[in-house]
Amino acid sequence: DAGVTQSPTHLIKTRGQQVTLRCSPKSGHDTVSWYQQALGQGPQFIFQYYEEEERQRGNFPDRFSGHQFPNYSSELNVNALLLGDSALYLCASSLAHSSSGANVLTFGAGSRLTVL
Amino acid sequence: GQNIDQPTEMTATEGAIVQINCTYQTSGFNGLFWYQQHAGEAPTFLSYNVLDGLEEKGRFSSFLSRSKGYSYLLLKELQMKDSASYLCAVMDSNYQLIWGAGTKLIIKP
Repeated sequence: DAGVTQSPTHLIKTRGQQVTLRCSPKSGHDTVSWYQQALGQGPQFIFQYYEEEERQRGNFPDRFSGHQFPNYSSELNVNALLLGDSALYLCASSLAHSSSGANVLTFGAGSRLTVL
Repeated sequence: GQNIDQPTEMTATEGAIVQINCTYQTSGFNGLFWYQQHAGEAPTFLSYNVLDGLEEKGRFSSFLSRSKGYSYLLLKELQMKDSASYLCAVMDSNYQLIWGAGTKLIIKP
């Protein structure tokens, strides 16, 4: 049973460019959340997708956008890259209506973005 | 504002016990999570507390006091593989996870 898979694992971009990161959720999960994690910091919530719609959004500018496809996979797009966008981008999947009551996230290994 | 505080770094000896504390101030509370993250890897789920008290799961236990805005993660019989960052996260009234910066635990032989 595959867990959460993300691609690419590493990438380097220059300021002003655009990037697309991809995520396939764990089998059976229907919700995808994206996080930004700077070195030595905890994850910062970007947004969450459910039923192909953005359900919640954190404190990130409109340069950050996303999409969820009918197969529950998701993309994170970042436009007009800044040096400060350099970070590990984590995708996490979960089940919207869990019988256990705990919304446990399963994380992918992340995409490490470096902006030069 | 919302805030999660945990120590930046702790050191412990193999075979010993360590307690990692987490204090929080959030708008609402819908549960507290602990995750383990090895360097360069994905965070993995350790425990979930929504009611006051102690939850035990093998060598790991997690405690919650909602009135004090306080939790701790207790690791017993420490092994070298327990060297990792431990992240405390609280689900707020909007069911959004607020994360601490993590505690880097260093295990020495």
